[in-house]
Amino acid sequence: DTGVSQDPRHKITKRGQNVTFRCDPISEHNRLYWYRQTLGQGPEFLTYFQNEAQLEKSRLLSDRFSAERPKGSFSTLEIQRTEQGDSAMYLCASSRSGGYTFGSGTRLTVV
Amino acid sequence: GQNIDQPTEMTATEGAIVQINCTYQTSGFNGLFWYQQHAGEAPTFLSYNVLDGLEEKGRFSSFLSRSKGYSYLLLKELQMKDSASYLCATSSGGYQKVTFGTGTKLQVIP
Repeated sequence: DTGVSQDPRHKITKRGQNVTFRCDPISEHNRLYWYRQTLGQGPEFLTYFQNEAQLEKSRLLSDRFSAERPKGSFSTLEIQRTEQGDSAMYLCASSRSGGYTFGSGTRLTVV
Repeated sequence: GQNIDQPTEMTATEGAIVQINCTYQTSGFNGLFWYQQHAGEAPTFLSYNVLDGLEEKGRFSSFLSRSKGYSYLLLKELQMKDSASYLCATSSGGYQKVTFGTGTKLQVIP
């Protein structure tokens, strides 16, 4: 078990482009979460999956954001028509019960 | 709703003890987490308190008072490597959604 893996670690994209991030949770964890963190702030909740079902989406997740978790394993987070305000660290976490285990995050820079 | 307050920054001396306080107002409260986050890295789990009282784990201890909506993280024998942000977070609801505070940036000085 190598923990929670996120790919890529860094992504630089031009404004208006689409980007997709991937998260591979710990294999026996049925819960998967996406968070966004900007400098000097704590992580902000974006969305939550239990197995393949997306059970909650934050109001922060605009129409340009979509997340999937096919087959209840890995998850993807897609941002369409990126804006400079989307620049942040995108963190994935998984859990079975109790505490989260975070991935190393994907740092997105929109230029 | 969820509201978590913790100091923005603290400075402490190597070898000393520091206490980082956190107050919260959380609907459907389950328990309280403390995470450590070094700059540019993901948060790492330190502790999870569900019941009132003090839990000790090596140099780190965490306290919870559910009736007061209050927690603290106590770091003893501070080391330079303890310089990091410390995130207070509450777990709430049926699926234990975790909401984070803004974090306390601790600087340990020689």
